[in-house]
Amino acid sequence: TQLLEQSPQFLSIQEGENLTVYCNSSSVFSSLQWYRQEPGEGPVLLVTVVTGGEVKKLKRLTFQFGDARKDSSLHITAAQPGDTGLYLCAGLFWAGGTSYGKLTFGQGTILTVHP
Amino acid sequence: DAGVIQSPRHEVTEMGQEVTLRCKPISGHDYLFWYRQTMMRGLELLIYFNNNVPIDDSGMPEDRFSAKMPNASFSTLKIQPSEPRDSAVYFCASSLGPGAGAFFGQGTRLTVV
Repeated sequence: TQLLEQSPQFLSIQEGENLTVYCNSSSVFSSLQWYRQEPGEGPVLLVTVVTGGEVKKLKRLTFQFGDARKDSSLHITAAQPGDTGLYLCAGLFWAGGTSYGKLTFGQGTILTVHP
Repeated sequence: DAGVIQSPRHEVTEMGQEVTLRCKPISGHDYLFWYRQTMMRGLELLIYFNNNVPIDDSGMPEDRFSAKMPNASFSTLKIQPSEPRDSAVYFCASSLGPGAGAFFGQGTRLTVV
């Protein structure tokens, strides 16, 4: 079983601060995705990274994929209360045979941004 | 497109009863996933289908759980008999392919009393 470890589990910050969330695994990802989930809703895809060392930006969010494709980070600049939510990383691992679509999620980071 | 549609949104049932959760994926998406989310275990993959065929069901907890996808626009997850420990939010998601990103439904909150 492939495990994705996210840290920290909880993050409580003030509006305007910066933060970084980490996602690590002992296995190599085919690709890695970041999602954001709000209470009562399903996760919503933010970004997909595929190439080792890749960096993608989405407004104030910066996503980085490790060179060895075993880790990733999400950095938020000048956090706002609207960024509050559960942030999930998900890795696509090739499980052998025909099971190449197995999307496995980390435990998530609960972010609270106080005004 | 209306997105992934799940029904019911909420289900309360008594232990021992059969429960059926339903999902309509986004048209044209070849992959369909069933996940279960709890505070303790997070988001767990139960089973996924490719072109209506079950590919990996290693996450299905036990024989009480079964999933079907009779056609490209419909899937069910059945629990029979249900137990209190099955209480969770069950999500269905669909995607165009591996690595394409999954689109989730709003989930079914199941409570077994």
